[in-house]
Amino acid sequence: EAQVTQNPRYLITVTGKKLTVTCSQNMNHEYMSWYRQDPGLGLRQIYYSMNVEVTDKGDVPEGYKVSRKEKRNFPLILESPSPNQTSLYFCASSGTGTGTTSNYGYTFGSGTRLTVV
Amino acid sequence: GQNIDQPTEMTATEGAIVQINCTYQTSGFNGLFWYQQHAGEAPTFLSYNVLDGLEEKGRFSSFLSRSKGYSYLLLKELQMKDSASYLCAVRDALTGAGSYQLTFGKGTKLSVIP
Repeated sequence: EAQVTQNPRYLITVTGKKLTVTCSQNMNHEYMSWYRQDPGLGLRQIYYSMNVEVTDKGDVPEGYKVSRKEKRNFPLILESPSPNQTSLYFCASSGTGTGTTSNYGYTFGSGTRLTVV
Repeated sequence: GQNIDQPTEMTATEGAIVQINCTYQTSGFNGLFWYQQHAGEAPTFLSYNVLDGLEEKGRFSSFLSRSKGYSYLLLKELQMKDSASYLCAVRDALTGAGSYQLTFGKGTKLSVIP
């Protein structure tokens, strides 16, 4: 089954304790992206990647890191989490910009609800 | 810049029809998407429009007017399970990073009441 797998689904952590949220897709998609979603603010892009070893900042990159060492994986790293990073996080992937695959836009992971206390 | 507007909330009655509007102002245009998102869950694909006109898919239809920067999602025969947020998203480029990137509206929370 074509999917984007995110882990964990829920995470409660303490301020300053480094954490990683994993994201993996099995569709051979070039493009992957991380979003956070907060009430009243909608989906805001954190980082995205056009392909292996190619990453770029989105709208709200501060406090986050990413890496793209393999095409299928795009982990989100919080080196020193703070309470204002408490949010619902989504990983998404997309195929090439033309053709049938692009007609679906993004495929989203199931989400990670992160609470930083 | 890019700007996508949609109403924050709407309420409709079970069995009725509801229309959710979306207006956009983007530097280019390469497709408009509608997603459904139940609370706490991932957005799921509903429809895609790249040419003007109406796309019908069962109870859901989506309309696009590129000249007006306008789209709507029409939901017929509303069911309680249609209570969700509906996200409008625009892809604004044909090549490069923009050919993948979607810009999202903040979503319309639809409540279906008995």
